[in-house]
Amino acid sequence: DAGVTQSPTHLIKTRGQHVTLRCSPISGHKSVSWYQQVLGQGPQFIFQYYEKEERGRGNFPDRFSARQFPNYSSELNVNALLLGDSALYLCASSLPSGGALVGQETQYFGPGTRLLVL
Amino acid sequence: AQSVSQHNHHVILSEAASLELGCNYSYGGTVNLFWYVQYPGQHLQLLLKYFSGDPLVKGIKGFEAEFIKSKFSFNLRKPSVQWSDTAEYFCAVLPYNFNKFYFGSGTKLNVKP
Repeated sequence: DAGVTQSPTHLIKTRGQHVTLRCSPISGHKSVSWYQQVLGQGPQFIFQYYEKEERGRGNFPDRFSARQFPNYSSELNVNALLLGDSALYLCASSLPSGGALVGQETQYFGPGTRLLVL
Repeated sequence: AQSVSQHNHHVILSEAASLELGCNYSYGGTVNLFWYVQYPGQHLQLLLKYFSGDPLVKGIKGFEAEFIKSKFSFNLRKPSVQWSDTAEYFCAVLPYNFNKFYFGSGTKLNVKP
Protein backbone atom coordinates (compact mmCIF):
# COMPACT_ATOMS: atom_id res chain seq x y z
CA ASP A 1 0.00 0.00 0.00
CA ALA A 2 1.19 3.50 -0.76
CA GLY A 3 1.99 5.61 2.24
CA VAL A 4 1.41 9.32 2.66
CA THR A 5 2.84 11.21 -0.29
CA GLN A 6 3.85 14.85 -0.41
CA SER A 7 4.83 17.14 -3.24
CA PRO A 8 7.10 18.74 -4.06
CA THR A 9 10.00 17.19 -2.14
CA HIS A 10 12.04 20.40 -2.18
CA LEU A 11 11.18 23.99 -2.92
CA ILE A 12 13.07 27.29 -3.01
CA LYS A 13 11.15 30.56 -2.76
CA THR A 14 11.98 34.19 -2.05
CA ARG A 15 10.59 36.41 0.68
CA GLY A 16 7.10 37.69 -0.01
CA GLN A 17 6.16 34.90 -2.36
CA HIS A 18 3.37 32.39 -1.89
CA VAL A 19 3.74 28.60 -1.71
CA THR A 20 1.37 25.64 -1.99
CA LEU A 21 2.30 22.24 -0.60
CA ARG A 22 0.32 19.11 -1.36
CA CYS A 23 -0.43 15.91 0.53
CA SER A 24 -2.17 12.67 -0.40
CA PRO A 25 -3.23 10.53 2.54
CA ILE A 26 -3.15 6.78 2.81
CA SER A 27 -6.14 5.24 1.04
CA GLY A 28 -9.08 5.14 3.43
CA HIS A 29 -7.73 7.83 5.74
CA LYS A 30 -10.01 10.83 6.06
CA SER A 31 -7.96 13.01 8.37
CA VAL A 32 -4.88 15.02 7.41
CA SER A 33 -2.60 17.03 9.69
CA TRP A 34 0.16 19.47 8.84
CA TYR A 35 3.32 20.14 10.86
CA GLN A 36 6.29 22.48 10.54
CA GLN A 37 9.68 21.17 11.62
CA VAL A 38 12.47 23.69 11.88
CA LEU A 39 16.01 22.27 11.94
CA GLY A 40 16.91 21.02 15.40
CA GLN A 41 13.35 21.15 16.74
CA GLY A 42 10.40 18.82 16.93
CA PRO A 43 7.40 19.11 14.62
CA GLN A 44 4.99 21.94 15.40
CA PHE A 45 1.31 21.38 14.78
CA ILE A 46 -0.26 23.69 12.18
CA PHE A 47 -3.66 22.23 11.22
CA GLN A 48 -5.77 19.13 11.20
CA TYR A 49 -8.62 18.55 8.74
CA TYR A 50 -11.25 15.85 8.95
CA GLU A 51 -13.96 15.41 6.33
CA LYS A 52 -12.95 18.75 4.81
CA GLU A 53 -13.50 20.61 8.09
CA GLU A 54 -10.75 22.19 10.20
CA ARG A 55 -10.60 20.21 13.44
CA GLY A 56 -7.60 21.79 15.10
CA ARG A 57 -5.26 24.73 14.62
CA GLY A 58 -1.84 25.51 16.08
CA ASN A 59 -0.30 28.88 16.89
CA PHE A 60 0.50 30.00 13.37
CA PRO A 61 -0.35 33.34 11.74
CA ASP A 62 -3.16 33.79 9.25
CA ARG A 63 -0.60 33.62 6.45
CA PHE A 64 -0.91 29.87 6.86
CA SER A 65 -4.07 28.26 5.52
CA ALA A 66 -5.11 24.82 4.40
CA ARG A 67 -7.94 22.95 2.85
CA GLN A 68 -9.00 19.37 2.26
CA PHE A 69 -10.59 18.12 -0.93
CA PRO A 70 -13.38 15.57 -1.48
CA ASN A 71 -10.76 12.87 -2.15
CA TYR A 72 -9.22 13.73 1.28
CA SER A 73 -6.00 15.12 -0.19
CA SER A 74 -4.92 18.43 1.26
CA GLU A 75 -3.07 21.62 0.44
CA LEU A 76 -1.14 23.87 2.78
CA ASN A 77 -0.78 27.46 1.60
CA VAL A 78 1.62 30.02 3.00
CA ASN A 79 1.41 33.65 1.90
CA ALA A 80 3.97 36.45 2.20
CA LEU A 81 6.83 34.06 2.95
CA LEU A 82 9.38 35.01 5.58
CA LEU A 83 12.90 33.68 6.05
CA GLY A 84 11.67 31.98 9.22
CA ASP A 85 9.23 29.86 7.23
CA SER A 86 12.18 27.79 5.99
CA ALA A 87 11.50 24.32 7.38
CA LEU A 88 10.44 20.76 6.66
CA TYR A 89 6.66 20.61 6.29
CA LEU A 90 5.21 17.27 7.28
CA CYS A 91 1.83 15.84 6.48
CA ALA A 92 0.26 13.02 8.46
CA SER A 93 -2.91 11.07 7.77
CA SER A 94 -5.04 9.01 10.09
CA LEU A 95 -8.17 6.89 10.18
CA PRO A 96 -11.29 8.56 11.52
CA SER A 97 -11.69 7.97 15.23
CA GLY A 98 -15.15 9.36 15.65
CA GLY A 99 -13.81 11.34 18.57
CA ALA A 100 -13.36 15.06 18.81
CA LEU A 101 -9.70 15.22 19.70
CA VAL A 102 -6.85 15.91 17.32
CA GLY A 103 -4.29 13.17 17.19
CA GLN A 104 -6.04 10.39 19.10
CA GLU A 105 -5.73 8.18 16.08
CA THR A 106 -2.32 6.89 15.07
CA GLN A 107 -0.86 9.37 12.62
CA TYR A 108 1.16 8.15 9.62
CA PHE A 109 3.70 10.67 8.42
CA GLY A 110 4.88 11.45 4.92
CA PRO A 111 8.46 12.27 3.90
CA GLY A 112 7.89 16.01 4.05
CA THR A 113 8.51 18.98 1.78
CA ARG A 114 11.65 20.94 2.49
CA LEU A 115 11.05 24.65 1.92
CA LEU A 116 13.86 27.15 1.72
CA VAL A 117 13.00 30.85 1.72
CA LEU A 118 15.74 33.19 0.50
CA ALA B 1 2.21 28.14 27.00
CA GLN B 2 2.19 24.37 26.86
CA SER B 3 5.57 22.72 26.44
CA VAL B 4 7.19 19.33 26.13
CA SER B 5 10.76 18.93 27.37
CA GLN B 6 13.16 16.23 26.32
CA HIS B 7 16.19 16.66 28.50
CA ASN B 8 18.71 14.68 26.49
CA HIS B 9 19.40 15.99 23.03
CA HIS B 10 21.97 13.37 22.13
CA VAL B 11 22.55 9.98 23.77
CA ILE B 12 25.31 7.54 22.89
CA LEU B 13 25.09 3.95 24.14
CA SER B 14 26.77 0.64 23.48
CA GLU B 15 24.71 -2.33 22.39
CA ALA B 16 22.98 -4.17 25.27
CA ALA B 17 23.01 -1.06 27.45
CA SER B 18 19.73 0.05 29.01
CA LEU B 19 17.97 3.14 27.73
CA GLU B 20 15.84 5.74 29.41
CA LEU B 21 14.82 8.93 27.62
CA GLY B 22 13.13 11.62 29.63
CA CYS B 23 9.99 13.52 28.67
CA ASN B 24 8.21 16.12 30.79
CA TYR B 25 5.24 18.28 29.89
CA SER B 26 3.73 21.39 31.40
CA TYR B 27 -0.01 20.85 30.93
CA GLY B 28 -1.82 20.24 34.21
CA GLY B 29 -4.98 18.55 32.96
CA THR B 30 -5.69 15.20 31.36
CA VAL B 31 -3.33 14.35 28.52
CA ASN B 32 -2.75 11.74 25.84
CA LEU B 33 0.93 10.88 25.41
CA PHE B 34 2.97 9.53 22.52
CA TRP B 35 6.48 8.54 21.55
CA TYR B 36 7.41 8.72 17.86
CA VAL B 37 10.64 7.49 16.28
CA GLN B 38 12.42 8.49 13.10
CA TYR B 39 14.99 5.99 11.81
CA PRO B 40 17.67 7.31 9.44
CA GLY B 41 16.15 7.98 6.03
CA GLN B 42 12.65 7.04 7.15
CA HIS B 43 9.45 8.82 8.13
CA LEU B 44 8.26 9.50 11.64
CA GLN B 45 6.40 6.50 13.02
CA LEU B 46 4.49 5.78 16.21
CA LEU B 47 6.40 3.83 18.85
CA LEU B 48 3.73 3.77 21.57
CA LYS B 49 0.89 5.80 23.04
CA TYR B 50 -0.96 6.29 26.32
CA PHE B 51 -4.58 7.38 26.57
CA SER B 52 -5.77 5.91 29.89
CA GLY B 53 -5.53 2.84 32.10
CA ASP B 54 -2.28 1.06 32.98
CA PRO B 55 0.40 3.78 33.17
CA LEU B 56 3.03 1.32 31.88
CA VAL B 57 2.63 1.14 28.13
CA LYS B 58 4.36 -1.33 25.86
CA GLY B 59 5.19 -0.46 22.28
CA ILE B 60 6.93 -1.96 19.30
CA LYS B 61 10.46 -3.36 19.28
CA GLY B 62 10.63 -3.91 23.04
CA PHE B 63 10.11 -0.28 24.03
CA GLU B 64 7.94 0.75 26.95
CA ALA B 65 7.03 4.01 28.64
CA GLU B 66 5.72 4.90 32.05
CA PHE B 67 3.28 7.71 32.70
CA ILE B 68 3.82 9.31 36.12
CA LYS B 69 1.07 11.87 36.53
CA SER B 70 2.51 13.45 39.67
CA LYS B 71 5.79 14.14 37.87
CA PHE B 72 4.20 15.15 34.53
CA SER B 73 6.53 12.63 32.93
CA PHE B 74 6.36 9.96 30.24
CA ASN B 75 9.81 8.41 30.05
CA LEU B 76 10.75 5.91 27.37
CA ARG B 77 12.71 2.79 28.30
CA LYS B 78 14.29 -0.24 26.73
CA PRO B 79 16.24 -2.83 28.78
CA SER B 80 18.78 -3.65 26.09
CA VAL B 81 19.33 -1.50 23.02
CA GLN B 82 20.46 -2.71 19.62
CA TRP B 83 22.39 -0.96 16.89
CA SER B 84 19.14 -0.83 14.88
CA ASP B 85 17.62 1.43 17.57
CA THR B 86 19.81 4.28 16.33
CA ALA B 87 17.24 6.97 15.53
CA GLU B 88 15.71 10.22 16.71
CA TYR B 89 12.97 9.90 19.32
CA PHE B 90 10.20 12.44 19.84
CA CYS B 91 7.81 12.71 22.76
CA ALA B 92 4.40 14.28 22.01
CA VAL B 93 1.50 15.44 24.15
CA LEU B 94 -2.15 16.00 23.32
CA PRO B 95 -3.83 17.92 26.13
CA TYR B 96 -7.39 16.73 26.50
CA ASN B 97 -9.99 19.05 24.92
CA PHE B 98 -7.20 21.20 23.57
CA ASN B 99 -7.11 20.02 19.95
CA LYS B 100 -3.42 20.89 19.64
CA PHE B 101 -0.57 18.41 19.45
CA TYR B 102 2.79 19.30 21.04
CA PHE B 103 6.11 17.60 20.18
CA GLY B 104 9.34 17.77 22.13
CA SER B 105 12.57 18.79 20.43
CA GLY B 106 13.73 15.20 20.05
CA THR B 107 16.58 13.00 21.33
CA LYS B 108 19.10 11.55 18.93
CA LEU B 109 20.15 8.07 20.02
CA ASN B 110 23.34 6.61 18.65
CA VAL B 111 23.95 2.93 19.51
CA LYS B 112 27.48 1.73 18.95
CA PRO B 113 27.87 -1.89 17.81
